[in-house]
Amino acid sequence: DAKTTQPTSMDCAEGRAANLPCNHSTISGNEYVYWYRQIHSQGPQYIIHGLKNNETNEMASLIITEDRKSSTLILPHATLRDTAVYYCIVTRTISGGGADGLTFGKGTHLIIQP
Amino acid sequence: KAGVTQTPRYLIKTRGQQVTLSCSPISGHRSVSWYQQTPGQGLQFLFEYFSETQRNKGNFPGRFSGRQFSNSRSEMNVSTLELGDSALYLCASSFVGVGEQFFGPGTRLTVL
Repeated sequence: DAKTTQPTSMDCAEGRAANLPCNHSTISGNEYVYWYRQIHSQGPQYIIHGLKNNETNEMASLIITEDRKSSTLILPHATLRDTAVYYCIVTRTISGGGADGLTFGKGTHLIIQP
Repeated sequence: KAGVTQTPRYLIKTRGQQVTLSCSPISGHRSVSWYQQTPGQGLQFLFEYFSETQRNKGNFPGRFSGRQFSNSRSEMNVSTLELGDSALYLCASSFVGVGEQFFGPGTRLTVL
């Protein structure tokens, strides 16, 4: 699986959009980009995933660049409850883990400020 | 629909002992994966079970083992505990290993 690079930490004001970048310059054509987050002392929570098209769900939007070397997770209206560590994961299977497991890096600690 | 449950939530053991942790996946899910989370190493994949068979294993010693039952419930066992095994152990389930993984709250193991 390709390696990902994320900023260690970010701050965002409550009510504003939080934009979390992820670099995955060695991504292969058949690798998916997944985002998970982990709120302190809880298990990770799936947010969204995509292959090459932009994706949106009730939690967030995922913007993948045309060359697929980077992506941005967007939380449109951040709340205090969005304070968490956000993990960008690249995996070659649509299983998003499963038999191959998920490779978690250090992630980005997003702090939402009141 | 009930989420992934793990028991016990907290556990204290001493070096040399063994421990068994349990995970009940979401109803209908047949894939169960296990992860270890420590401050130093982060989240690391242990192994995954599907239909009672281990499909893949991470880079952990043989002291770490698991199994899955016909009802998809899974257990992991750690024998001859070491201080470094102190961690949060998480399990995740999915329908057939496709799509997002649903994580449980974890079992926090402390080895003294």
